Amino acid sequence: SAVISQKPSRDICQRGTSLTIQCQVDSQVTMMFWYRQQPGQSLTLIATANQGSEATYESGFVIDKFPISRPNLTFSTLTVSNMSPEDSSIYLCSVDSMDRDQETQYFGPGTRLLVL
Amino acid sequence: GQQVMQIPQYQHVQEGEDFTTYCNSSTTLSNIQWYKQRPGGHPVFLIQLVKSGEVKKQKRLTFQFGEAKKNSSLHITATQTTDVGTYFCAGTSNTGKLIFGQGTTLQVKP
Repeated sequence: SAVISQKPSRDICQRGTSLTIQCQVDSQVTMMFWYRQQPGQSLTLIATANQGSEATYESGFVIDKFPISRPNLTFSTLTVSNMSPEDSSIYLCSVDSMDRDQETQYFGPGTRLLVL
Repeated sequence: GQQVMQIPQYQHVQEGEDFTTYCNSSTTLSNIQWYKQRPGGHPVFLIQLVKSGEVKKQKRLTFQFGEAKKNSSLHITATQTTDVGTYFCAGTSNTGKLIFGQGTTLQVKP
């Protein structure tokens, strides 16, 4: 199993500012994933963060808005840039891990962001 | 694009009643996973189904994967107040991406 922590757990930000969210895993993983969950909605994959290469972004998400770093196999950051109220969401990082011979995706506790 | 549809969106049941949520994919899935998210919490992995027609049980929860690997269901027998939360299915496409359904939010009246 994997234990994931995220910082900050929540924040209230002013529009136009940027926030960097950190994700730390207790084991080395190849890929880390960043999701967004808007209020009352499902999870949408923003990007996949690979160590040693640029992140792979999903349709509708761009690097200028959501720059990602992946400096090593246990850590990643997601920045939400030039925020607007529409960016108010829960941001979750996750990793794949083997658990009892099946591949399992573990989620961090999430960062609850409110943009005013 | 590839979609995973989940119904119903909401379900209110009396404690002790059964509950079922259904997922349908527009394309064949490599596998399907189920997650539970408690209010204010994050998604927690419940189970993964890989084989066509597979059925797995976890206590009062029964998970099924369709023969065509395009649909799945989660059935809870005799719900309890601890079952409250949103249940998500997520299918792994042939490109390896995990696609989440919209989720079914379960409320249980004591």
